[in-house]
Amino acid sequence: QKEVEQNSGPLSVPEGAIASLNCTYSDRGSQSFFWYRQYSGKSPELIMFIYSNGDKEDGRFTAQLNKASQYVSLLIRDSQPSDSATYLCAVNDAGGTSYGKLTFGQGTILTVHP
Amino acid sequence: DAMVIQNPRYQVTQFGKPVTLSCSQTLNHNVMYWYQQKSSQAPKLLFHYYDKDFNNEADTPDNFQSRRPNTSFCFLDIRSPGLGDAAMYLCATSRDGRYQPQHFGDGTRLSIL
Repeated sequence: QKEVEQNSGPLSVPEGAIASLNCTYSDRGSQSFFWYRQYSGKSPELIMFIYSNGDKEDGRFTAQLNKASQYVSLLIRDSQPSDSATYLCAVNDAGGTSYGKLTFGQGTILTVHP
Repeated sequence: DAMVIQNPRYQVTQFGKPVTLSCSQTLNHNVMYWYQQKSSQAPKLLFHYYDKDFNNEADTPDNFQSRRPNTSFCFLDIRSPGLGDAAMYLCATSRDGRYQPQHFGDGTRLSIL
C-alpha cells in the first residue's frame, strides 16, 4: 500500500514567518511530487511541483526533495493570512498501467494569524 | 480563462435519481481524471482516461460510470445516487499523466435529498 504522510496539523504561524510543511512517501520509485493548496470549499490549486533532488523556488514558495530520505517539503516565506488553507502533498505513481495516479497525503491545515 | 470547466457547480438530486456531471478542457491534455472528495478527506481517484483508454479504480463502485466522447469532454454518471455519494466531484487533466502536473476544475458539489 503506497502511502503519503504529512506532518500533523493544524499548523499556526504568525504573519511574516516561514511556514514549513513536510511530507514523506513510501514508494521509493516515485518520480514526481506536487503541492496543492486547497481553500475551504474550493478545488485543489497547484502550487509547486518537483522532480529532482534539491530545492526549487517560485516566489515565496520553495519545494525541497530528498529521494534518499523519501521526503518532500514546502516552505512558505513571509506567510500571509491569504496563505491560510489546507496543503496537500501528492506523489505520482511510478509504474503500472495507470497514467499519473496521484497518492495524496491527508493534508495539513495552515493558519497564518495577523 | 478557465481551462478545466465543470458543470454544474452545485447539483442537488434525489436519492436514486441518476445524475450526470460534466467536465470540459481547453488544454488539449491527453489524460482526464475524476476524483471524489468528502469533507476533511483527500481526493479519491475514481477513474481516468488516457485518450480513450479507460482505467477504473478497483474500489470505485459500479454505481459510477464515465464517458469521454472526445478529447475535450468527460462525463461522470451516477446511476442511483445514495446518501453516501454526497461529495465534491473534481475533474482534473494532465498532459501526459506521468510527470506533468494535474490541473483541477472548480468541482461540482453534489447533494442528495
